[in-house]
Formats: sequence, C-alpha cells, structure tokens
Amino acid sequence: QVQLQESGPGLVKPSETLSLTCAVSGVSISGYFWSWIRQPPGKGLEWIGSIHYTGSTNYNPSLRGRVTISVDTSKSQLSLKVRSTTGPDTAVYYCTRGRGAGTYGMDVWGQGTTVSVS
Amino acid sequence: QSVLTQPPSASGTPGQRVTISCSGSSSNIETNYVYWYQQFPGRAPKLLIYADNQRPSGVPDRFSGSKSATSASLAISGLRSEDEADYYCEAWDDSLTGPVFGGGTRLTVL
Repeated sequence: QVQLQESGPGLVKPSETLSLTCAVSGVSISGYFWSWIRQPPGKGLEWIGSIHYTGSTNYNPSLRGRVTISVDTSKSQLSLKVRSTTGPDTAVYYCTRGRGAGTYGMDVWGQGTTVSVS
Repeated sequence: QSVLTQPPSASGTPGQRVTISCSGSSSNIETNYVYWYQQFPGRAPKLLIYADNQRPSGVPDRFSGSKSATSASLAISGLRSEDEADYYCEAWDDSLTGPVFGGGTRLTVL
C-alpha cells in the first residue's frame, strides 16, 4: 500500500533552516501532486505548499518566500526547506499525496514528524 | 483565523446523529470540492470524505457529507465512542490558489 514517511531533525535553532524529507513507497511519485501540511501544538492544520511530480510548485503566501519544496523522482522522495525559522514554525509536519483539490483531496498522509524551533 | 469556519466542539450520545458544519465562501466551498479529515490524538489526519460526499473504501456509511452554496456539513449517524476525534473540513481556494482548512471540531461522545 502507499506509505509516506517523514524524517529530519527534531530540533532546529531559531534563524536556521528546517529541512525534512518524505520517503514515498508503494506508488510512483509520477502522476501526482504532493503537499506539506503542518500543525502547531494544539492547533489546526496549515497548508505549507504543494509540488507536482514535474517540479511545478505552489506555496502558501503566509510563509513569505521562506519555503522550498522539491521532488526527487529517482529517490522517490520529497523535500521541504523552511528558512529563517522562529518559534511559530514549531509543529508536526506532514507530507501528503494530493494538493487538496481534484477528486481525492489529500488521500494519503505520512505519520508526521515533530519539529521544535528552540 | 481559519478561512473555513467550524464550531470548535460538538457532542452527542451513543446512537445519536451529529452534524458538524463548515462555512466558507464563493472562492472555496461554493466552487470546489469539500473534503473532511478525521484525526485522533497523536495521529495523522485521515481522509474521511472526498468530493463533497464520497467515502473512501473502509469508511463506514455512518459518515456522510453534504454541501449547499458556501457551506458544507459532515453527519455522523449511530454515533459510537470510537468516533471521538477532531474533524477538519478543507477545500481548494481559488483566491489563495491553495487548499484552506477549517479550524477543526472536537467531537465528544458523552
């Protein structure tokens, strides 16, 4: 079955870059959109950005150009970088299949990885 | 402040029918599909309803979705204790050119 697995440092110092990867298994990256979603402690879900397997990206303007999402089809993985981090970037970060549009929305989610900025 | 508006909490007793509302606008709910996600504490969200009212394989038919104009609803009939979770609505927003979420509704089974 389709599985997504996020990984990366659990602790990032303020002003540094948060870097995460999402390993995709059970399905080819090709043919889909992929997204990153985050959830601050005790709060709701926030869309970070999405990428098509061709490399076309779309980001949440609220993150003011601090975000880069990339895809490596040869490794079957996605990457997320958030620059100039501050405390409000502390959250559980999820990768998902889909971009919240089309028929199926975001139909597969990774288990999430917790990142603290401190 | 979430773009989509949900009540922060809802509750019901076992066997009851509960509905959770999701209010949006012409740039999101009215013109695009609505999705619902279920999230248990400490777990990742799971797709519960897609394309306004469709259930993925494995989701009980006790869960149903509906939409009218700029609002959507999730209904849970025959409420069970294992339905106690957070529920989020989501829709694509044409102004943002990205998905927007509701703030989430915590469902308590009394």
